[in-house]
Amino acid sequence: GAVVSQHPSWVICKSGTSVKIECRSLDFQATTMFWYRQFPKQSLMLMATSNEGSKATYEQGVEKDKFLINHASLTLSTLTVTSAHPEDSSFYICSARAPQFQGKLFFGSGTQLSVL
Amino acid sequence: GQQVMQIPQYQHVQEGEDFTTYCNSSTTLSNIQWYKQRPGGHPVFLIQLVKSGEVKKQKRLTFQFGEAKKNSSLHITATQTTDVGTYFCAGPPGGNQFYFGTGTSLTVIP
Repeated sequence: GAVVSQHPSWVICKSGTSVKIECRSLDFQATTMFWYRQFPKQSLMLMATSNEGSKATYEQGVEKDKFLINHASLTLSTLTVTSAHPEDSSFYICSARAPQFQGKLFFGSGTQLSVL
Repeated sequence: GQQVMQIPQYQHVQEGEDFTTYCNSSTTLSNIQWYKQRPGGHPVFLIQLVKSGEVKKQKRLTFQFGEAKKNSSLHITATQTTDVGTYFCAGPPGGNQFYFGTGTSLTVIP
């Protein structure tokens, strides 16, 4: 099956620093990647949709200068949380999609970000 | 933006009882998918429904897509402890986005 790898699994950082999260499709080329944020016992909130080689489409209310998304290749997308603050602490999870899977999403294992 | 609501939010059942979660979208969906997320895990794809009125079965799980393609349901017959988790419906409203429902957390009491 299709595998999506996400790193790091958890990260603790100081307020004001930037954190980069990587999402890789290991055995397929992902034409679209999605980034979600999930608070405890809540649903996945779509942050942005990114297609390889083009700018990400951000959802309303998501600051694109705060959450930088780069989809540089068909197997890699990165989310950088810039100047992180405690309110950015959350579970971030990526997913990938490719045409051969008829719309099915494959998820990374997620990144738990804690900003002190 | 699109709203995809699920009810109930939480459900506790005795092992062996049936369970149903309902999904309602504010907009028509081109297709609907269901995912299961175990505690501490990531969502895992269960099924996709595309056609209006479609019904699909996977062992003890039955999935339905409404005639108007705005609602869906997941029914589990005779729940087992392995069914524990949060069930999400999800779908694209026609664009490139992919929105998840609010989820139903299922607890199965042995």
